[in-house]
Amino acid sequence: DAGVTQSPTHLIKTRGQHVTLRCSPISGHKSVSWYQQVLGQGPQFIFQYYEKEERGRGNFPDRFSARQFPNYSSELNVNALLLGDSALYLCASSLEGHINSPLHFGNGTRLTVT
Amino acid sequence: AQSVTQLDSQVPVFEEAPVELRCNYSSSVSVYLFWYVQYPNQGLQLLLKYLSGSTLVESINGFEAEFNKSQTSFHLRKPSVHISDTAEYFCAVDSGAGSYQLTFGKGTKLSVIP
Repeated sequence: DAGVTQSPTHLIKTRGQHVTLRCSPISGHKSVSWYQQVLGQGPQFIFQYYEKEERGRGNFPDRFSARQFPNYSSELNVNALLLGDSALYLCASSLEGHINSPLHFGNGTRLTVT
Repeated sequence: AQSVTQLDSQVPVFEEAPVELRCNYSSSVSVYLFWYVQYPNQGLQLLLKYLSGSTLVESINGFEAEFNKSQTSFHLRKPSVHISDTAEYFCAVDSGAGSYQLTFGKGTKLSVIP
C-alpha cells in the first residue's frame, strides 16, 4: 500500500508569492495533519483536519490555511511568503486522528523562499 | 502548554557502544510521549510510544525508553548501536487530548562511528 504522498517534493518561490502544497493520506485514513520543520529544529504543528473539519490549529499566522477534501486529501496554502517560511513541510495521516491509531508521515515538501 | 527539551543536539558514539538520548517534557495534562526517527531527506518514523501502562516501552529494533513521571523524562536508550542507527531522533509529547497535535523537541543527531 502507498504511504502518505506529498507533492511537490521541492519548490522554490519568491517573497510575496503564494504556494499550495498537497498531501494524499494513506487509503482509509480520515485525519491529516501538517507540520513545519525549519532547518535544525523539530517539527511544529500547523493544522489538523478530521473528516474535512479543522480539529486543531497551531501558533501560525493567518497567512497559513488548509483544507481537506471529500477524498481526505489535503492542501496547505501559504500567502505572502516570507524568507522565514523556508522549511520542510510534513504531512501526516492517521485512521481516526487519535493516538490509538498510528500516525504516518510523508517525506515532506522542501520549500525555499528567496 | 506543553514543551519538550532534548538536552543534547549531537551525540557521537562508537559502533556497538551503548547510547542514551535524553528527553524532558513539561505538561499540565495527561502525558502521551513519543520518539520518532528521521533519516536524511525523509519524513518521521515512529520508534516507540508511551500511552499508559508499563513505564518501559520497547521498539522492534532494540531501542527502549522509560517514562519517569517524577523526573518528567522519557530518555531513549540502546545497549549496542549500529551504523544504521545514524539519524536524527525527536522526542514529542501530545497536546494532552490524545489527538496527535504533537509538540516536538529540537532533535538529537546520533552519529555512530565505525
